[in-house]
Amino acid sequence: RKEVEQDPGPFNVPEGATVAFNCTYSNSASQSFFWYRQDCRKEPKLLMSVYSSGNEDGRFTAQLNRASQYISLLIRDSKLSDSATYLCVVNLFSGGYNKLIFGAGTRLAVHP
Amino acid sequence: ETGVTQSPTHLIKTRGQQVTLRCSSQSGHNTVSWYQQALGQGPQFIFQYYREEENGRGNFPPRFSGLQFPNYSSELNVNALELDDSALYLCASSRGPQETQYFGPGTRLLVL
Repeated sequence: RKEVEQDPGPFNVPEGATVAFNCTYSNSASQSFFWYRQDCRKEPKLLMSVYSSGNEDGRFTAQLNRASQYISLLIRDSKLSDSATYLCVVNLFSGGYNKLIFGAGTRLAVHP
Repeated sequence: ETGVTQSPTHLIKTRGQQVTLRCSSQSGHNTVSWYQQALGQGPQFIFQYYREEENGRGNFPPRFSGLQFPNYSSELNVNALELDDSALYLCASSRGPQETQYFGPGTRLLVL
């Protein structure tokens, strides 16, 4: 079983649509959680951290359920510029260092 | 931009050769982590260097080795290259082993 599993993509949605990505993680000792965005042939960039209380950044809302080991990302009013791969990431601190564990990513394509 | 730089940007090698990839960390950062991202996958943790010592290692064979220098820049060395080593190699620097990691643009390695 993969440590971080995400919805298989791609998601093809029209501009203005709402799209939701889901992610599960296997290690209950995971301590912090993130969504990263990766554009084609570029490095991953931090989109937002994810908290149990839920957090929102403009059109983006992230949610964490520790009991279910489940993370979600909701994008409202999708823009063409949202087209990218979205990576679910957990941070495991063990043995004195932080290790980021990435899911395989879900590709989003927003079309006119 | 994160201030993390990597060189070279692209590299082509043949099986059995050796390669050295370089990473300059952001000013004020003393920790560098390396990741391998194969096509269609999320980045996989290779190892982390903190104050010139290997601080943690993922599930990669010993032919993947590294160094960190007094200025906290780092090298990733891969010996006896295999076709499956073809990937995007990312480094990330942070203020410490437990701090947020900032990614460089990556080095794209192709092994023929």
